[in-house]
Amino acid sequence: EPEVTQTPSHQVTQMGQEVILRCVPISNHLYFYWYRQILGQKVEFLVSFYNNEISEKSEIFDDQFSVERPDGSNFTLKIRSTKLEDSAMYFCATEMVGSYEQYFGPGTRLTVT
Amino acid sequence: RKEVEQDPGPFNVPEGATVAFNCTYSNSASQSFFWYRQDCRKEPKLLMSVYSSGNEDGRFTAQLNRASQYISLLIRDSKLSDSATYLCVVNANAGGTSYGKLTFGQGTILTVHP
Repeated sequence: EPEVTQTPSHQVTQMGQEVILRCVPISNHLYFYWYRQILGQKVEFLVSFYNNEISEKSEIFDDQFSVERPDGSNFTLKIRSTKLEDSAMYFCATEMVGSYEQYFGPGTRLTVT
Repeated sequence: RKEVEQDPGPFNVPEGATVAFNCTYSNSASQSFFWYRQDCRKEPKLLMSVYSSGNEDGRFTAQLNRASQYISLLIRDSKLSDSATYLCVVNANAGGTSYGKLTFGQGTILTVHP
């Protein structure tokens, strides 16, 4: 069964550093999402991406965040200058056109020190 | 009012028990509804979509009441492997498109014991 994959599984970075989280969507999925989950809290939407542009973004997704699909396969989330409060699990999710169902990758645990 | 509100739990039940989870949502424009399960420190996994007519998948039955903005999940004959956090999830894709952000409830913890 096809799966969403994410790398790295765990990233430790110092405050102020840039990080790039990577996701490989399921091959015939065209809608892409990033969510995050701070430890002990609920899953929160960050951004949706379709046809090479952002469809919707949340208040969390400020100017420090960006997304792109640089090579037609990877879907990346960049955090330009990490803060302590960015420490969380970051999940990529993808959706096939018309399916209404999103499938999540295993997540990247980001720890900002 | 929270966008998606669930029974806080935790629920501790013996194997073989029937357990029901409830959820309410605040956005009446919501179009798609789901139950996901999440194991500790893992990703949410889609358990089932929820349809207005109700739907069943083996031991799992989901119901939707749009008038009351209420969703339920019933698990029959609980197994040890059902132990997880169950997430009520809503998609307010009011524009009629299939894509759109998912809004998650806080989750209800289920522990099934021998």
